[in-house]
Amino acid sequence: AQTVTQSQPEMSVQEAETVTLSCTYDTSESDYYLFWYKQPPSRQMILVIRQEAYKQQNATENRFSVNFQKAAKSFSLKISDSQLGDAAMYFCAYRSAKGTGNQFYFGTGTSLTVIP
Amino acid sequence: NAGVMQNPRHLVRRRGQEARLRCSPMKGHSHVYWYRQLPEEGLKFMVYLQKENIIDESGMPKERFSAEFPKEGPSILRIQQVVRGDSAAYFCASSPPNEKGAQHFGDGTRLSIL
Repeated sequence: AQTVTQSQPEMSVQEAETVTLSCTYDTSESDYYLFWYKQPPSRQMILVIRQEAYKQQNATENRFSVNFQKAAKSFSLKISDSQLGDAAMYFCAYRSAKGTGNQFYFGTGTSLTVIP
Repeated sequence: NAGVMQNPRHLVRRRGQEARLRCSPMKGHSHVYWYRQLPEEGLKFMVYLQKENIIDESGMPKERFSAEFPKEGPSILRIQQVVRGDSAAYFCASSPPNEKGAQHFGDGTRLSIL
């Protein structure tokens, strides 16, 4: 089974600074998707960014970007110009691209605090 | 276009009672997934359903838990004879047929067992 590891239970960043959240995963598949989800105290699961494994170019969404290293099975999230609203739990997730109806595998999360 | 709707948002049950959690997928979505999130943990897959069919229930506890997605109406996750350890947030996600990317999540149901 696939596993997703987030080795940083907690991180903090000064407002307007940059922070990087780490994620590694284990799979024998070559075609898959990777995601970062944000879960604020309201508990919603909000999609932040997604990456298709066959694409070499790192995904970017405004202040959020990823560093996808397929050979190293690493998928880190960089948040630039951090804002107070970025404070939340961040979950890294893996999903196979083989067939349809595949479940997500989630990491245990990183709690991000933004310091004013 | 309404998102994935889950209700209730909060559910309180006493030990031994039954809990029923409902999920209405996004319009046009025929695939439904249920996940459970224990405190301080990530979401764990429970079951994947299509209309009238359970496709993958490998993450579902063998006893007391069941799920359905009838032809008409929402998907239901049912927990019989609840115990304290069932206290968790239960999330539903949906995706359309042939969608290989992101799933759309509901806001979850927080189940508390007294």
